[in-house]
Amino acid sequence: DVKVTQSSRYLVKRTGEKVFLECVQDMDHENMFWYRQDPGLGLRLIYFSYDVKMKEKGDIPEGYSVSREKKERFSLILESASTNQTSMYLCASSLWTSGGQPQETQYFGPGTRLLVL
Amino acid sequence: QKEVEQDPGPLSVPEGAIVSLNCTYSNSAFQYFMWYRQYSRKGPELLMYTYSSGNKEDGRFTAQVDKSSKYISLFIRDSQPSDSATYLCAMSGGAGGYQKVTFGIGTKLQVIP
Repeated sequence: DVKVTQSSRYLVKRTGEKVFLECVQDMDHENMFWYRQDPGLGLRLIYFSYDVKMKEKGDIPEGYSVSREKKERFSLILESASTNQTSMYLCASSLWTSGGQPQETQYFGPGTRLLVL
Repeated sequence: QKEVEQDPGPLSVPEGAIVSLNCTYSNSAFQYFMWYRQYSRKGPELLMYTYSSGNKEDGRFTAQVDKSSKYISLFIRDSQPSDSATYLCAMSGGAGGYQKVTFGIGTKLQVIP
């Protein structure tokens, strides 16, 4: 089974703090993603990476950065946390090649609920 | 207009009922269609995926795609309280290279014992 783990389930930070969210997958997937999920807005893509040290902006990259130094690990960084970044953050991974299953099928971690005060 | 429209519900049904969950979309390039189930305070888990039009069945779940109407459905037969969750549809273009996946906002389902 694919396993995607996230470093924290719940996190409380103060405005202006630098926040690191870590994600690790154990299935040798090339693609990794960071989303945030908000009521009424659904899942919105922040950044994704299709290879080590590669990154692409998603729909809402402002205020975030990412790092992918190893294939299995993808980090999301909030440079200076703000209250409007309070959200559920979800990491996902997928294969690059189809191998019988489309790369679009993503496997999600349990999520990190971030509260910025 | 959103690319993918999904009624957020909530939808409440009695145990044993047949449930129909639906999404409509506007992008005719979408070729891969997926359904995810998300329990409260958990990450989404992939339920089913289909390519192009047609039906796909997996146990009590049937996914149906009608590309001519830009409409996809997920049917759950003999619904159980354990099916209570939010169901998200997702779709993408499926052509070469990475294709962005667009998610619906999810429909919250409650199955009453």
